[in-house]
Amino acid sequence: GQNIDQPTEMTATEGAIVQINCTYQTSGFNGLFWYQQHAGEAPTFLSYNVLDGLEEKGRFSSFLSRSKGYSYLLLKELQMKDSASYLCAVTGSGAGSYQLTFGKGTKLSVIP
Amino acid sequence: EAGVTQFPSHSVIEKGQTVTLRCDPISGHDNLYWYRRVMGKEIKFLLHFVKESKQDESGMPNNRFLAERTGGTYSTLKVQPAELEDSGVYFCASSLEVTGPSGANVLTFGAGSRLTVL
Repeated sequence: GQNIDQPTEMTATEGAIVQINCTYQTSGFNGLFWYQQHAGEAPTFLSYNVLDGLEEKGRFSSFLSRSKGYSYLLLKELQMKDSASYLCAVTGSGAGSYQLTFGKGTKLSVIP
Repeated sequence: EAGVTQFPSHSVIEKGQTVTLRCDPISGHDNLYWYRRVMGKEIKFLLHFVKESKQDESGMPNNRFLAERTGGTYSTLKVQPAELEDSGVYFCASSLEVTGPSGANVLTFGAGSRLTVL
């Protein structure tokens, strides 16, 4: 099976940097996704990591260590609109490669 | 490009009644998925269609849930009869076919259908 852990809530200041961690234990692993979800809206794709290392995309970066079962999402130059839930999700191998297994999400509040 | 559309956005029904949720995926996306989030829990996989065929329905809770995708376009998820524990947000998502060993199967989600069973 799969188990995904991430902090429930975080608060950060506008303009600052915040790191949201995610750890996972899986019976099979293919890749790791980060999604952003504003309240009442659809989760939207942010990033995908399959190999170890850092993927940078504008203000957002995502890191993966397969050997440690660990990922983080880094948000720079925080803006008020970044207040949202951030969902870590993994895909398994083989027949499970089409299933996303989600963590409960981290609710980020950006304050002035 | 139109996104994934779900209807209704919110449904309130009484225990024992029937509800049908509809999902219109992005045009051309062969893969269609249903997920559910029960309050306080994580989003969980229900099932996966490839075109009109059920590829994986291992996440369906029980036989009160029936998903269809006739013609391989839109999909419906029917709950009959609904129970209190079925309350939650039902998300639909779609994706293109993934190619290559490291290709990302990026799912585009709809905004969800919130089901409240009283």
